[in-house]
Amino acid sequence: DGGITQSPKYLFRKEGQNVTLSCEQNLNHDAMYWYRQDPGQGLRLIYYSQIVNDFQKGDIAEGYSVSREKKESFPLTVTSAQKNPTAFYLCASSAPGPGANVLTFGAGSRLTVL
Amino acid sequence: AQTVTQSQPEMSVQEAETVTLSCTYDTSESDYYLFWYKQPPSRQMILVIRQEAYKQQNATENRFSVNFQKAAKSFSLKISDSQLGDAAMYFCAYIPRSNDYKLSFGAGTTVTVRA
Repeated sequence: DGGITQSPKYLFRKEGQNVTLSCEQNLNHDAMYWYRQDPGQGLRLIYYSQIVNDFQKGDIAEGYSVSREKKESFPLTVTSAQKNPTAFYLCASSAPGPGANVLTFGAGSRLTVL
Repeated sequence: AQTVTQSQPEMSVQEAETVTLSCTYDTSESDYYLFWYKQPPSRQMILVIRQEAYKQQNATENRFSVNFQKAAKSFSLKISDSQLGDAAMYFCAYIPRSNDYKLSFGAGTTVTVRA
């Protein structure tokens, strides 16, 4: 079955460490996204990528970095510059065409900074 | 600035009854899309329903229907014949056709279904 795989599901990090969250999709979708979810704030867009080797900052990109070297993969690095990284992170993708704005989501990764 | 507002943090409904979730949004665009997404306890986000702004007819998907009031910038979700599996957090979302990569979400409404 096609879908989005995020790993790890749970991740613990010490302050000052960078950590990379993986997102892989086999839906042949062009666009991929990273969202951050905090209680009471809904989902906020971190980065998105429309095509391979191209990505744009979302609303809260500071302290995060991404790469898009392959169509299937869009990893997110949470750097030590991110002041409050503890959150639930969701990766999503969308197909081109009329359904371009319908997102398919992964199951999420929960990052906790100790 | 908050584009999408969900004023009800929590709602409770008796099984088999109907519940309506509110959503308002702010935009100067005339062409856009609105969505309701469901996030059950598994935290896997699932699309419930999508509405295109230029279509006057309200979208429906089985027991889920919307009341889209474009002039009022209101987009409520009605869940009919509520089932235990409907218990989840529901997010309203907006995206303009002019930039269909930046989806804006509301803060969410947690729905509890009482048996």
